[in-house]
Amino acid sequence: GAGVSQTPSNKVTEKGKYVELRCDPISGHTALYWYRQSLGQGPEFLIYFQGTGAADDSGLPNDRFFAVRPEGSVSTLKIQRTERGDSAVYLCASSLSPSGGPWEQFFGPGTRLTVL
Amino acid sequence: AQSVAQPEDQVNVAEGNPLTVKCTYSVSGNPYLFWYVQYPNRGLQFLLKYITGDNLVKGSYGFEAEFNKSQTSFHLKKPSALVSDSALYFCAVRDPTSGSARQLTFGSGTQLTVLP
Repeated sequence: GAGVSQTPSNKVTEKGKYVELRCDPISGHTALYWYRQSLGQGPEFLIYFQGTGAADDSGLPNDRFFAVRPEGSVSTLKIQRTERGDSAVYLCASSLSPSGGPWEQFFGPGTRLTVL
Repeated sequence: AQSVAQPEDQVNVAEGNPLTVKCTYSVSGNPYLFWYVQYPNRGLQFLLKYITGDNLVKGSYGFEAEFNKSQTSFHLKKPSALVSDSALYFCAVRDPTSGSARQLTFGSGTQLTVLP
């Protein structure tokens, strides 16, 4: 079956520009997560959605970062006034169950963002 | 706060030999533990998880991991390494009783190279 998909696979932008990154989760997965992976590091949590609502956004680094999931499926991560330090691979994951059970997260291939 | 340590940035092993990739964790409650593998230019792939019960868990591609509560470790193992196992391996932890119960916290990764 189809896995988590992310578009675009690569995004190059200039400092100060606005970008949107899209994630399409596995069908039927109610939970969706965004992580950021910098070079040589493990992924770092950004935000978690249960359905349409952001249940935990404690990982968002500042108010330039925002994410939505209006219909409880596709999600968009939005970054305003990009900075060079935002350059990283942005990973999306999805999982079953709102109950907090031990469900593994399935990851997409990521979007590599480069801010020049 | 939860954390994960992968003390080895790089592990080299000869094909056919057993391999071990080390992971230690810190959480306040009982952890959910995961191993993921990342191939170049691809997303994270789930290998296995420990939730409760038997301390030895078996996963994909012949991998297994041993949970040791007293040593707070969750080392990844395989009896006989293949060249195709060469990849970047991440250990991750969730603390289901914490306020950030749905977040995965990852280690910094261990690059496994299996030499022919």
